[in-house]
Amino acid sequence: EAAVTQSPRNKVAVTGGKVTLSCNQTNNHNNMYWYRQDTGHGLRLIHYSYGAGSTEKGDIPDGYKASRPSQENFSLILELATPSQTSVYFCASGDAGQGAAETLYFGSGTRLTVL
Amino acid sequence: GMPVEQNPPALSLYEGADSGLRCNFSTTMKSVQWFQQNHRGRLITLFYLAQGTKENGRLKSTFNSKERYSTLHIKDAQLEDSGTYFCAAGNAGAKLTFGGGTRLTVRP
Repeated sequence: EAAVTQSPRNKVAVTGGKVTLSCNQTNNHNNMYWYRQDTGHGLRLIHYSYGAGSTEKGDIPDGYKASRPSQENFSLILELATPSQTSVYFCASGDAGQGAAETLYFGSGTRLTVL
Repeated sequence: GMPVEQNPPALSLYEGADSGLRCNFSTTMKSVQWFQQNHRGRLITLFYLAQGTKENGRLKSTFNSKERYSTLHIKDAQLEDSGTYFCAAGNAGAKLTFGGGTRLTVRP
């Protein structure tokens, strides 16, 4: 089973502050994803990556940046956090090539509250 | 409408009952996955389908790309089946679009 670890598990931030959410996977998967989950919306894709050095915009990228410095690590960065970014964030990894479908493995989630 | 619609949004079953969940897609999708989110918020992959039907214990899922739907059938529901079930569908790449989920409550 793929291991995907997110940190922190919980985070409280102030409006205008910088927040970095981290994700680490230990199974050498090429693809990594950041989703947010809000009541009534299911999961929505923010950013994703096909490998080290690559980041792609998902469906709701505004207000977020992503960084993939290595195969194992994928960070989500909120440069200027806003209360509307209060949510639960999930990281996932998968091992298909571009254009192929795959099974995703999710981390446990990070609950972010922006005051 | 929404690219992936799940029905029903909520479902209550007694232990031992059978029921089905459904996802409809507004466009043709190449694959679908089903996930269970448990009471701790953990997302667990149940099925990945590119076509046809798969079974795993009391769960069975079908995907019909041409007719644009997928189903998840739960047989002999147990208390631990409670949670929120999501379908997610995809085409090129691994970008998945999630449905809004079905909140399942299994009662003794």
